[in-house]
This record gives sequence, structure tokens and C-alpha cells, in this order.
Amino acid sequence: AQSVTQLGSHVSVSEGALVLLRCNYSSSVPPYLFWYVQYPNQGLQLLLKYTSAATLVKGINGFEAEFKKSETSFHLTKPSAHMSDAAEYFCAVSDRYNFNKFYFGSGTKLNVKP
Amino acid sequence: DAGVIQSPRHEVTEMGQEVTLRCKPISGHDYLFWYRQTMMRGLELLIYFNNNVPIDDSGMPEDRFSAKMPNASFSTLKIQPSEPRDSAVYFCASSSDRGGRETQYFGPGTRLLVL
Repeated sequence: AQSVTQLGSHVSVSEGALVLLRCNYSSSVPPYLFWYVQYPNQGLQLLLKYTSAATLVKGINGFEAEFKKSETSFHLTKPSAHMSDAAEYFCAVSDRYNFNKFYFGSGTKLNVKP
Repeated sequence: DAGVIQSPRHEVTEMGQEVTLRCKPISGHDYLFWYRQTMMRGLELLIYFNNNVPIDDSGMPEDRFSAKMPNASFSTLKIQPSEPRDSAVYFCASSSDRGGRETQYFGPGTRLLVL
């Protein structure tokens, strides 16, 4: 089965600072990759997805992620954090045999300090 | 589109009672997923359906859990009998079948507390 590792269960940044959330996946075949965001007491919402097109993927709310096959990484970044970005972020990878089945990372809680 | 609808949003029950969680997927979606989220184990896939047929139930924790999808617009996840360790947030998600490129859309979740 695929697996996803998110380094850092909690990340804290100041408002206006760079946001970097790390995600590494295990797969011998480039999969489809996703970042989701979860606000308190809500379901998960898609931020962006990589589906073998451009390696730099732009998503909503100013987030972007770069697929690096050599590093098996798909890190999420945002140049300038906003207070409203405080949430939990999940990286997910599709199963290599069944693309409709996802494996989620353990999540990273982002705290934005004023 | 109303999105994925789940009911109830909150459920408090006593150990041993039957619990039924409900989900209405987005119209036209072929896939439906049930997930469980806990602090200890994160987000776990329990079971998923394709065209109302269960495809993979390897994540269902034990026989106390069962899921059905009688038609394309409705699914249930049942726990009988419930136990305190079943306390979690249960999410339903749906997607359309386009080779995995499609997003899974999540419902707001059902927060279950078993006393």
C-alpha cells in the first residue's frame, strides 16, 4: 500500500511569513497527489492536486505545491501566511492500482501568529 | 449543488446501542467513501463503494461495523453494538470515476460520542 509522511504535526508561523508544509510519499510509480485543508469542525476541502501535468501546481487561497519525483515529495507552500490559513492540512496519495482510493497523511496543524 | 450531506451531525449514545450514520453523495458521483478520524489514528478509510457495490472494506475495524448503499443517493454506516472506542468523527466523501484525477468531496462529518 502507499503511504504518506507529513513531517511536523504542528507548524507555527507569523502572519506574513512563508508557509512550508512537508509531504513525502512512498511509491515506485508517480501517483496522483492531493492537499486538503480542514477547518475546525468541518470536513476536508481540496486545496490542490497533482495529476501528472505541470509539476508546480497552484491551488486556492494562494497555496501551491511542487511535485519532485526524485525526492518523492509534494511540499505545500504559501509565500505569505494569513490568519485565516490556520487549519489542519492533509496530504493524500492515490493507490497505484486503484486511483480512486486515497491514503492520507497524519496531518499538520498550522498556527498563524499575529 | 448541496455537496455531500451527512446526518446526524452529532450523536451521543450509550455503549451497546446501535448507531446509524447516513450519507447522501453528490448527484452523479460513482464513488462513495466512509472515513473515520481520531486523534490517535488520524484519517482512516473504512470502506468504499463504486456504483453502489462495496469494493474494499478492508478498513472496517470489526464485524460490529457494516455499511450499505441501497441506491446511488444514499449510504449508511452502522455500528452495532457501539463501544466507547468507536468515538470519532465519521466522514463520508464522494467522487466521480475519471481515473482518480477527480477530487473526493467530503461531507461535514458526524461527531460520534459513545459513553
